[in-house]
Amino acid sequence: KAGVTQTPRYLIKTRGQQVTLSCSPISGHRSVSWYQQTPGQGLQFLFEYFSETQRNKGNFPGRFSGRQFSNSRSEMNVSTLELGDSALYLCASSGGQLPGAKNIQYFGAGTRLSVL
Amino acid sequence: ILNVEQSPQSLHVQEGDSTNFTCSFPSSNFYALHWYRWETAKSPEALFVMTLNGDEKKKGRISATLNTKEGYSYLYIKGSQPEDSATYLCALNNFNKFYFGSGTKLNVKP
Repeated sequence: KAGVTQTPRYLIKTRGQQVTLSCSPISGHRSVSWYQQTPGQGLQFLFEYFSETQRNKGNFPGRFSGRQFSNSRSEMNVSTLELGDSALYLCASSGGQLPGAKNIQYFGAGTRLSVL
Repeated sequence: ILNVEQSPQSLHVQEGDSTNFTCSFPSSNFYALHWYRWETAKSPEALFVMTLNGDEKKKGRISATLNTKEGYSYLYIKGSQPEDSATYLCALNNFNKFYFGSGTKLNVKP
């Protein structure tokens, strides 16, 4: 069974540009969550999508958005990039059929974004 | 925002030592507590999910306990091995919104 796939693995952008990251979940998983990790910080929750709907949202500005397609693949978009957006972005998938206590997150390898 | 704290931030032990870390979280509205291990250059991997006060989980030399009334969980590693070197993350699952601690980075010296 293939794991969670994130593309691209590395990205270099300049301030003001926008970027789109992609995440393909484990087959059969309907929930995809996105996280940001910056140096010295834990994983910060961005948002969760389930069945093409945003079900949960973290405390990030509106420049961070996402969507989920009918095949459960998800994209995250960051517009008007700032230097502080340089981070490792991880996505995770889970069964997530209900807000379930045992919704273990299966993580991808991440996309490392550098904003110059 | 729910504040999840982990201590210590880092730990250096010798091979064979036993060690433990702490995860503290708000005890109100508890839903589930997850532990993950994150090795360098790899993806975080789930270790345990605990939902009930008093839960104890074990996987090989690693075990975890949960106290939801006082808001903490302990992770124990018995007889640490170099391959246990990793960052250990705990996360509070609040209805599928996950709040991660900053992690405890464990380094086991041979």
